[in-house]
Amino acid sequence: SQQGEEDPQALSIQEGENATMNCSYKTSINNLQWYRQNSGRGLVHLILIRSNEREKHSGRLRVTLDTSKKSSSLLITASRAADTASYFCATGGSNAGGTSYGKLTFGQGTILTVHP
Amino acid sequence: SQTIHQWPATLVQPVGSPLSLECTVEGTSNPNLYWYRQAAGRGLQLLFYSIGIDQISSEVPQNLSASRPQDRQFILSSKKLLLSDSGFYLCACSAYGNTIYFGEGSWLTVV
Repeated sequence: SQQGEEDPQALSIQEGENATMNCSYKTSINNLQWYRQNSGRGLVHLILIRSNEREKHSGRLRVTLDTSKKSSSLLITASRAADTASYFCATGGSNAGGTSYGKLTFGQGTILTVHP
Repeated sequence: SQTIHQWPATLVQPVGSPLSLECTVEGTSNPNLYWYRQAAGRGLQLLFYSIGIDQISSEVPQNLSASRPQDRQFILSSKKLLLSDSGFYLCACSAYGNTIYFGEGSWLTVV
């Protein structure tokens, strides 16, 4: 079954507005990551938040993590047309023999459209 | 930082034909390597992962296989393609942590 589930499935906003995407997961995690994918391209890593962190910032991105609710949110402030893409949360990270092999489980993604 | 080269970028293959997608990684050694498939631009499904040469785990039963003949080379293969093998295939790697870096992907259409 899918571990991460994004909400909403699609989001359409105007340039300058903030975009908030949510992710819920089912099992305990070591970390949660957000990725971005432009249409027909590979995924680009945005930010990683560890299970002992509650909030993290990177430029216009703000990620929160609530392990008690098993949920995370990605906020993009002052959105731009270039932010149009699909955004995925991914959960995982476990240690095997002392080596983290970073196996991730991805959600279905949120398609963000930012209109100029 | 890691750079992932993946090819071919697109291919159209007839049903029953073989497949070989290649992936090489630069900028790191002894990476963990992955093959993902993405259908209809939605979520990713992990197909194979490898923690070392000739050490490959399959996540789902399927018509595909993977090989890692060298530390930074990962190959996805099939002897006979099915229509259902069509999709977007992504090679990825990680090292020293949980962040995974992706290649640009390969579009496979089986006709």
